[in-house]
Amino acid sequence: GQQLNQSPQSMFIQEGEDVSMNCTSSSIFNTWLWYKQDPGEGPVLLIALYKAGELTSNGRLTAQFGITRKDSFLNISASIPSDVGIYFCAGPRGYGSGYALNFGKGTSLLVTP
Amino acid sequence: DAGITQSPRHKVTETGTPVTLRCHQTENHRYMYWYRQDPGHGLRLIHYSYGVKDTDKGEVSDGYSVSRSKTEDFLLTLESATSSQTSVYFCAISYRGEGNSPLHFGNGTRLTVT
Repeated sequence: GQQLNQSPQSMFIQEGEDVSMNCTSSSIFNTWLWYKQDPGEGPVLLIALYKAGELTSNGRLTAQFGITRKDSFLNISASIPSDVGIYFCAGPRGYGSGYALNFGKGTSLLVTP
Repeated sequence: DAGITQSPRHKVTETGTPVTLRCHQTENHRYMYWYRQDPGHGLRLIHYSYGVKDTDKGEVSDGYSVSRSKTEDFLLTLESATSSQTSVYFCAISYRGEGNSPLHFGNGTRLTVT
């Protein structure tokens, strides 16, 4: 399956700072998804991107579908303590996989007050 | 709320014992998935199902089997648990069953094999 490389692995920031993370794929995607996982819970969908160049916002979160279709970016503005968690990028596994997703290894975000 | 219930939420078992994890959905979706989450590996697909009695393997299926006798239930079985299967297991469903459809996850089962 496609390899998803997500960076950075972890971030330790102060409340109010902006955050940027990205994900690259070894192959072209037609969909990019961003999830957040709170401790002890399952991943929850934040943003879905379906078109190269697309820029989509969800509150303080903004994600972009890269023009090459091999990368995507997630930005969080003015971080707050409840932004703490693990952020995953995901994309389709491809034909014959029952519409399953491949996931990056995640970016762990810690926010200090 | 994705309408997914996983049980049990936590389990401790001994090496060599069989273990079955259950995923129950309330919304009659066709596609269901089992993933495991491990530090440094993210989420990896174990098995998936595309209907009653229709299942297929994912990338880390060795040591696992699944069954789906009813639309609403997808069971994951470890026939003989090993310490390497200590992990957090997530069930997911696809609302649309299409190539660009997001998955929606349950809250996981934390399994410890001693």
